[in-house]
Amino acid sequence: EVHLVQSGAEVKKPGATVKISCKVSGYTFTDYYIHWVQQAPGKGLEWMGLVDPEDAETFYAEKFQGRVTITADTSTDTAYMELSSLRSEDTAVYYCTTSRGLTRPNDYWGQGTLVTVSS
Amino acid sequence: DIQMTQSPSSLSASVGDRVTITCRASQSIGSYLNWYLQKPGKAPKLLIYIASTLQSGVPSRFSGSGSGTDFTLTISSLQPEDFATYYCQESYSSTWTFGQGTKVEIK
Repeated sequence: EVHLVQSGAEVKKPGATVKISCKVSGYTFTDYYIHWVQQAPGKGLEWMGLVDPEDAETFYAEKFQGRVTITADTSTDTAYMELSSLRSEDTAVYYCTTSRGLTRPNDYWGQGTLVTVSS
Repeated sequence: DIQMTQSPSSLSASVGDRVTITCRASQSIGSYLNWYLQKPGKAPKLLIYIASTLQSGVPSRFSGSGSGTDFTLTISSLQPEDFATYYCQESYSSTWTFGQGTKVEIK
């Protein structure tokens, strides 16, 4: 059975950097892309970017380009999302999610990680 | 990035109603359109992919159609567990986009 387990909630000050992890199990890590999705309180889903764990290739949404870094560690079957220069608008739940290919949907999801940005 | 526009943003319906949600892409995306359902405090759940393929385990009252730029999600007979927010998503480009969501509420 596939599981994606994310790291716990974070509280950060404006201007800081947050790094969230997503530990996967139940499948071969390099077989699926890992995506990250942002959801601000009461708002919709915002696709942030993805990583191909097989070759570390990444794609990022224009909105987050330059502030987000998504990586994958094949030695621990863990993906990471790092978001820098945090501002209050980055207060959100962040989800990791998988897809079997660049055109396939997001089929498995983590439980979400709440990041609160507050001074 | 491709823009995805859903309509309506919200709707009120009764159990047993037929519900239709539309999603329009800013450019042709072929059939690379997915639909998700999300309930408060929960991760999204995949309903339909490649415009019309039902995800395993999803009830047959859900169906999807469309290609190119215009897509539709239909719930043939709304059930109590279907009251939620629905999102479309394109997986055509290398940078994906979600629609803004449609909240289905109880009338």
